[in-house]
Amino acid sequence: GAGVSQSPSNKVTEKGKDVELRCDPISGHTALYWYRQSLGQGLEFLIYFQGNSAPDKSGLPSDRFSAERTGGSVSTLTIQRTQQEDSAVYLCASSQRDSYQQYFGPGTRLTVL
Amino acid sequence: DQQVKQNSPSLSVQEGRISILNCDYTNSMFDYFLWYKKYPAEGPTFLISISSIKDKNEDGRFTVFLNKSAKHLSLHIVPSQPGDSAVYFCAASAYSGGGADGLTFGKGTHLIIQP
Repeated sequence: GAGVSQSPSNKVTEKGKDVELRCDPISGHTALYWYRQSLGQGLEFLIYFQGNSAPDKSGLPSDRFSAERTGGSVSTLTIQRTQQEDSAVYLCASSQRDSYQQYFGPGTRLTVL
Repeated sequence: DQQVKQNSPSLSVQEGRISILNCDYTNSMFDYFLWYKKYPAEGPTFLISISSIKDKNEDGRFTVFLNKSAKHLSLHIVPSQPGDSAVYFCAASAYSGGGADGLTFGKGTHLIIQP
């Protein structure tokens, strides 16, 4: 079956612009996660959605970052007023409820000039 | 503070030999541990996991060992094959009751299998 998909695969933007990154989780997975991987670093947890519950936003680095999940499926991560330090690969993952195993998409490489 | 540490950024192993990747953690609330493998330009793929109630889990060539008292786990790959060359991430999770929390990852170890 189809895995987690993300779009765009690459995004280059200018400092100060807003960007939107999209994630389509595996059908039937109720949990959705966003991570980012900066150069030379591990994956950093950003935000977690479980079904229709309020998201866990504890990993968001600043109030310029926000995410929503419509209809319990597709999710959009929005970064406002991008900064150069936002440059990273943004990864989305999904999992079945109560499962620790997360399935990752290929990521979106964001470059802020 | 880094709650999951992989202290070896890279590891080179000869084909056919055993690869041992190490991981240490500091948060005693972690109750589940996973290893992910990542190729360039791809997302991480799940490899093997272990619950904190076990000390060993084996799947084919891959075995994960957990030492809770030392807060240490290791991934053994034997025999190592060229296709095993990738970055390996150790990850840990704590179940919060509403579902598994976001995973906490180490920085990864780049495994290079030499022919």
